[in-house]
Order: sequence, then C-alpha cells, then structure tokens
Amino acid sequence: AQKITQTQPGMFVQEKEAVTLDCTYDTSDQSYGLFWYKQPSSGEMIFLIYQGSYDEQNATEGRYSLNFQKARKSANLVISASQLGDSAMYFCAMRENKAAGNKLTFGGGTRVLVKP
Amino acid sequence: NAGVTQTPKFRILKIGQSMTLQCTQDMNHNYMYWYRQDPGMGLKLIYYSVGAGITDKGEVPNGYNVSRSTTEDFPLRLELAAPSQTSVYFCASSDEQPQHFGDGTRLSIL
Repeated sequence: AQKITQTQPGMFVQEKEAVTLDCTYDTSDQSYGLFWYKQPSSGEMIFLIYQGSYDEQNATEGRYSLNFQKARKSANLVISASQLGDSAMYFCAMRENKAAGNKLTFGGGTRVLVKP
Repeated sequence: NAGVTQTPKFRILKIGQSMTLQCTQDMNHNYMYWYRQDPGMGLKLIYYSVGAGITDKGEVPNGYNVSRSTTEDFPLRLELAAPSQTSVYFCASSDEQPQHFGDGTRLSIL
C-alpha cells in the first residue's frame, strides 16, 4: 500500500500568491516524522521543513509552513508569496519507526511552476 | 562545508559492466542511505546503513551491493548493469533529521 500520496502531479501559481501542495500518508506508528524537500531543475534535494507526529504546533520555516492534520493523516505544504525561484519539484516524505534506521519513504512529487 | 559528496556525477555504462558509485560524508553521521530516482518519480531506498559494518536492504535492493567499512564512506556497487538501472542515484546521511543529500549521480545503461 502506498504510504505517501501526492495527488497533484503539477500546478501553476502566480508570482506573489500562496500555493498549497497536498500530501497524505498512511502509517500505524504513533511516532513518525514528515518532511518536505524541494528539487530544482539542477537536481539537488533541498530540505525545507519537518513536522514530528507529536508536535502540537504546525511547523514554519520562513515562507514555508506545514498544515499538519493528524486525524486526516495529511501534511500539506504551504508556500506563501511565491517567487520565480520556487519553480521546482516538491516531495513529501515520511520517517517511520525511528529504530529501523530513520528511513524515508517519498511521495511521487508535485511539480510547481511559478508564473511571472 | 563539503557535506555529502558523490562521484562520479555522470556515467554511461554498457549492459553487463560493473561500477561503484562513491559516497563520502564529513559530518560524522551514523546513518547513510542510497536512493534511486527514476524520471518523474520520487526516490526509492536501495540500501541503508546505521553504522560502520552494518547494512540492510531497502525497498529496491536487487542488482546492487553496499559496504560500510568506515563512518565516512558508503559505496554502492552495480555488478551486472542492466537498462532498468538507468536512473539518478542519491546518497544521503543523517543522525537525527533531516537527511542531507549529495548532488546525485546520473547513470545511463546502454
């Protein structure tokens, strides 16, 4: 069964507007972590934001925020005030069972194109 | 700040050839990982290591081997290259979180 689902293969967003990227997950663990990575066209993987399953507050990092809804098993990324440099692939990932090596399972990604 | 260094950046192999993808980290991380990323897809875990001398299979280990003789190095070996192994390979390391990724190796098998 797919553990991380990103249902939006691609989306356009106007510069300076906000965009929400969807991510749903499936796990039976009580302790887990959710990550978002950015992959620009140059190919590197850039860590953006992290949310722990026990964190009561939604994570924020600059223009990035994570809308964590535990009961719905969703961890959507919100990018505020989009910039042209935000055009990239975005991946949601989950770390389960910390004792088993901090392994990540990735979703299929969402491609974002910011229009000027 | 070198972080995670992968070599080579690009490589073309013929079917049946073998090669080793190198990965070195200078952050003294215990955990290291190898992922592959096929075009338009997310990353899939090939092998991982929780410390020197300890390795384990990930989601897609067939056709690959790894070793971890030191904390710093985690090479990935392809013994008999097949077209299905054409992909971009990422090495990563971590202690807690997040994982830090190398820049990737783009490998084509022809």
